Amino acid sequence: KAGVTQTPRYLIKTRGQQVTLSCSPISGHRSVSWYQQTPGQGLQFLFEYFSETQRNKGNFPGRFSGRQFSNSRSEMNVSTLELGDSALYLCASSFKGTGGTEAFFGQGTRLTVV
Amino acid sequence: DQQVKQNSPSLSVQEGRISILNCDYTNSMFDYFLWYKKYPAEGPTFLISISSIKDKNEDGRFTVFLNKSAKHLSLHIVPSQPGDSAVYFCAASVRSGGSNYKLTFGKGTLLTVNP
Repeated sequence: KAGVTQTPRYLIKTRGQQVTLSCSPISGHRSVSWYQQTPGQGLQFLFEYFSETQRNKGNFPGRFSGRQFSNSRSEMNVSTLELGDSALYLCASSFKGTGGTEAFFGQGTRLTVV
Repeated sequence: DQQVKQNSPSLSVQEGRISILNCDYTNSMFDYFLWYKKYPAEGPTFLISISSIKDKNEDGRFTVFLNKSAKHLSLHIVPSQPGDSAVYFCAASVRSGGSNYKLTFGKGTLLTVNP
């Protein structure tokens, strides 16, 4: 069974640009969550999608958005990039929901904003 | 306001000894707790979990203890091995509408097991 796949692994963007990150969950998993990891803040919850609907949202500005497709693949978009958006972005999938059951994480996308 | 706190950024232990990683939480609504391990350049890997109706869960060398009155949980690794060296994240979940869940993470503790 393939694991959670995130693409790209590394990305360098300049301030003001926008970026789209992709996540393919484990086959059969319907929940996809996104987290931002920075050295000072640990892992912070961005949002969760289940069956193409956003169910939970963290405390991030509207520049951070996402969506989920019918095949459960998810994309995360960040517009008007700021230097502070540099982080490791992690995607996690689970069958029902990442909080109540074991969540499987991808390797992450390392975003650097210059 | 940080709802899950790991107050020790790092911990160093000798191989074969016990490693104890601690985690405190403030939200009494949390009903499920998990520990994840993370190596550099990899995503977190699930280790062990515990429901709020239990006070202990054991899986091989890993045991998680939950003290609800103190809002405290700990992960014990016995015996510690050099391969256990990683960042350990404590996480908690709160039910938010129906069967929805989300994870709230601590900032992590870097465990170093010395040979």
